[in-house]
Amino acid sequence: GQSLEQPSEVTAVEGAIVQINCTYQTSGFYGLSWYQQHDGGAPTFLSYNALDGLEETGRFSSFLSRSDSYGYLLLQELQMKDSASYFCAVYGDSSYKLIFGSGTRLLVRP
Amino acid sequence: EPEVTQTPSHQVTQMGQEVILRCVPISNHLYFYWYRQILGQKVEFLVSFYNNEISEKSEIFDDQFSVERPDGSNFTLKIRSTKLEDSAMYFCASSGVDQGAETQYFGPGTRLLVL
Repeated sequence: GQSLEQPSEVTAVEGAIVQINCTYQTSGFYGLSWYQQHDGGAPTFLSYNALDGLEETGRFSSFLSRSDSYGYLLLQELQMKDSASYFCAVYGDSSYKLIFGSGTRLLVRP
Repeated sequence: EPEVTQTPSHQVTQMGQEVILRCVPISNHLYFYWYRQILGQKVEFLVSFYNNEISEKSEIFDDQFSVERPDGSNFTLKIRSTKLEDSAMYFCASSGVDQGAETQYFGPGTRLLVL
């Protein structure tokens, strides 16, 4: 079977740092992506990790440990507009289909 | 910035009717996908399409579903005989060579309601 686990909800204060974890168990693994989705909107690509380590893109960073089947998304200097759902998604094979986690709803409070 | 577009934004249909959802992927992309998201749930893979044929399909994508790239720009998803449980948001996505096929760009979605 294939499963991705992430917390269902996280709350943080504006200006703070938050980490959203993702553990996965899939039959194949090419890489881990993160997507942001605002209510009623489409998933928007944030980052992709194929190799172990940290990838930084502005206020967002993503980390992968292939040996631990684990990754996280780090959001710094949180802004109100960061309130959204965040999904980790695995590329399991060469068809590039995405297998999504259930999503983490992030609420940023003033 | 190029984007994936989808039409219609909303579709209401009666159970048993056929619907066609349309997508225009980003022009130089080579890989195309359909996903669906039932309200409040995760995004689920339906089908991937490359080189004018299906690369992979999920167990959701049964004989009632089909995809087509009728011309150089459109990518369609047809549901032959809709069921109540087909009510969901349907997202088209595409990915290309420039940024790597793993970077998928999603369209705004079509919200399908089957009555």
